[in-house]
Amino acid sequence: GAVVSQHPSWVICKSGTSVKIECRSLDFQATTMFWYRQFPKQSLMLMATSNEGSKATYEQGVEKDKFLINHASLTLSTLTVTSAHPEDSSFYICSGAGDRNYEQYFGPGTRLTVT
Amino acid sequence: GNSVTQMEGPVTLSEEAFLTINCTYTATGYPSLFWYVQYPGEGLQLLLKATKADDKGSNKGFEATYRKETTSFHLEKGSVQVSDSAVYFCALSENTGGFKTIFGAGTRLFVKA
Repeated sequence: GAVVSQHPSWVICKSGTSVKIECRSLDFQATTMFWYRQFPKQSLMLMATSNEGSKATYEQGVEKDKFLINHASLTLSTLTVTSAHPEDSSFYICSGAGDRNYEQYFGPGTRLTVT
Repeated sequence: GNSVTQMEGPVTLSEEAFLTINCTYTATGYPSLFWYVQYPGEGLQLLLKATKADDKGSNKGFEATYRKETTSFHLEKGSVQVSDSAVYFCALSENTGGFKTIFGAGTRLFVKA
């Protein structure tokens, strides 16, 4: 099946700094990429949807100025958590969709810890 | 709006027991239905899917049938193994201009040896 990678797999940063997470589709072109946030023992919460070359569409309640999403190519999307705070600590998962079969391929996730 | 409801966990079973995890959905159109599995510390993996009514998805001994009349997509396995211990998410996806997927809350399964 299609493969999506994320980098880094885990990161620890200090409060007030920014962190960038990369999401790459390795063997397909992801016209649409999704970013999710998962709290411990909870389901995935969709943060935003991005189409290559367009601005991301954010879900209600997600601060677009805090969670910057860039989808510059068909194989790469980035999520930047700006001015991170401890409450931003979470597991961030991306996924890519490349065709019209409504299937998404998920990355392994990035665990962010803000101290 | 669209939603997915799945049984609360955790579910604890002994090895070789029969597994059922219930999932029901509400949707305005004709969604595709999925089961994803998440092993500890990992991302989601697609377990199986069904794209239209009466389709049966199956993989690794797991199966689920798309029941439009009962709006259900229950996950079953005849004989679970310790290695099946994970969190299982039921999900639906409709082409609403971006393949947005809606997930259930997840059901944690523990299988004891």
